[in-house]
Amino acid sequence: QKEVEQDPGPLSVPEGAIVSLNCTYSNSAFQYFMWYRQYSRKGPELLMYTYSSGNKEDGRFTAQVDKSSKYISLFIRDSQPSDSATYLCAREYNFNKFYFGSGTKLNVKP
Amino acid sequence: GAGVSQSPSNKVTEKGKDVELRCDPISGHTALYWYRQRLGQGLEFLIYFQGNSAPDKSGLPSDRFSAERTGESVSTLTIQRTQQEDSAVYLCASSLGQPTSGNTIYFGEGSWLTVV
Repeated sequence: QKEVEQDPGPLSVPEGAIVSLNCTYSNSAFQYFMWYRQYSRKGPELLMYTYSSGNKEDGRFTAQVDKSSKYISLFIRDSQPSDSATYLCAREYNFNKFYFGSGTKLNVKP
Repeated sequence: GAGVSQSPSNKVTEKGKDVELRCDPISGHTALYWYRQRLGQGLEFLIYFQGNSAPDKSGLPSDRFSAERTGESVSTLTIQRTQQEDSAVYLCASSLGQPTSGNTIYFGEGSWLTVV
């Protein structure tokens, strides 16, 4: 069983749609989660991080953690073609080590 | 430089040869990571350096892999006797301190290694 599971997609949506990206994880002992965005042939860049449960909002992006169901989500409002990328979720499993999901590829069509 | 710099950006090598991959972290960043990303896969942790502490090598997949770091500066990842399964993107990242203290991990663009 992978520590962090993501649907690889691709997920294709029209511009302006609300996007929901999801991950499940297997161990709730740690509380630090991250979402990274990775454009083709580029390094990942941090979008958001969250601690424990609840929501965190930053502009068009909202990260949500549900520890009871071991589920983390990233919502993108008013999606733009520039949001087309692969989105990686990650969770801490040691102070400085993280399990990353394999990523969900998102395509936002103009 | 402004970001994490990695070289070479692309490397094609013959099976059995050794390769060295270089990483220049962001100036002042004490933490440095190496990750491997195979095609269509997530990032696999390889090794972590923090200041002058002993590195965490628990992610290195075999003794063919090694990494060094000069102080809080450049790091080199060496793969000896390369195998085809070593083909991947090798990503270096750095952060000012522990990410769980709110420090962002910044990634380089990676070194794309192909073993033929």
